[in-house]
Amino acid sequence: EIVLTQSPGTLSLSPGERATLSCRASQSVASSFLAWYQQKPGQAPSLLLYGTSRRAAGIPDRFSGSGSGTDFTLTISRLEPEDFAVYFCQQYGSSPLFSFGPGTKVEIK
Amino acid sequence: QVQLQESGPGLVKPSQTLSLTCTVSGVSITNGDYYWSWIRQHPGKGLEWIGFIYYTDTTHYNPSLKSRVSISLDASRNHFFLNLSSVTAADTAVYYCARQDGFTFYSDFWGQGTLVTVSS
Repeated sequence: EIVLTQSPGTLSLSPGERATLSCRASQSVASSFLAWYQQKPGQAPSLLLYGTSRRAAGIPDRFSGSGSGTDFTLTISRLEPEDFAVYFCQQYGSSPLFSFGPGTKVEIK
Repeated sequence: QVQLQESGPGLVKPSQTLSLTCTVSGVSITNGDYYWSWIRQHPGKGLEWIGFIYYTDTTHYNPSLKSRVSISLDASRNHFFLNLSSVTAADTAVYYCARQDGFTFYSDFWGQGTLVTVSS
């Protein structure tokens, strides 16, 4: 069973700062099958990135993704007020077919 | 515009079956480019994939829930369904339906979610 670990659990930053979020897998994940989601309180998750680095429709270019194998990163170059939220990574391919990381909360410092 | 909407009872008694419907609009659930998923989120916790269905009625379930879960669809109504049997308090969660890309399996459209509480 593949397990995704995200770090840090909480990231306290100010608007305008750079955020770097990590997602680590217990086994190798194909780059095509790693996605990131953003979730704001009381809302459903929304797709940010897929295929490790491809931005979903309407996602600004301050969001970027990188990584391969077992280590993946979501970077927000300059935090905007609307970016303070919880971020989840998700993999497809290993039992269970889909799994999510526990999330990283990006909060205002 | 693609939209998904969950519906069903917000309260289910322990040992009973949780039944939810996802109404899809803006795309046909018989479109072979997509799978149709159920995902849940326990209060204040992370996301758990429950399972998905393809328009051919092919299903895949999370092994941790497989013995209790069933997903089906009604193409004529553009709906798909979740049944989760023998529920306990541990099944209390927000349940989401979502569209899953058939090639890279990301979920690009989600319902707003529905809270189901298991309690007597």
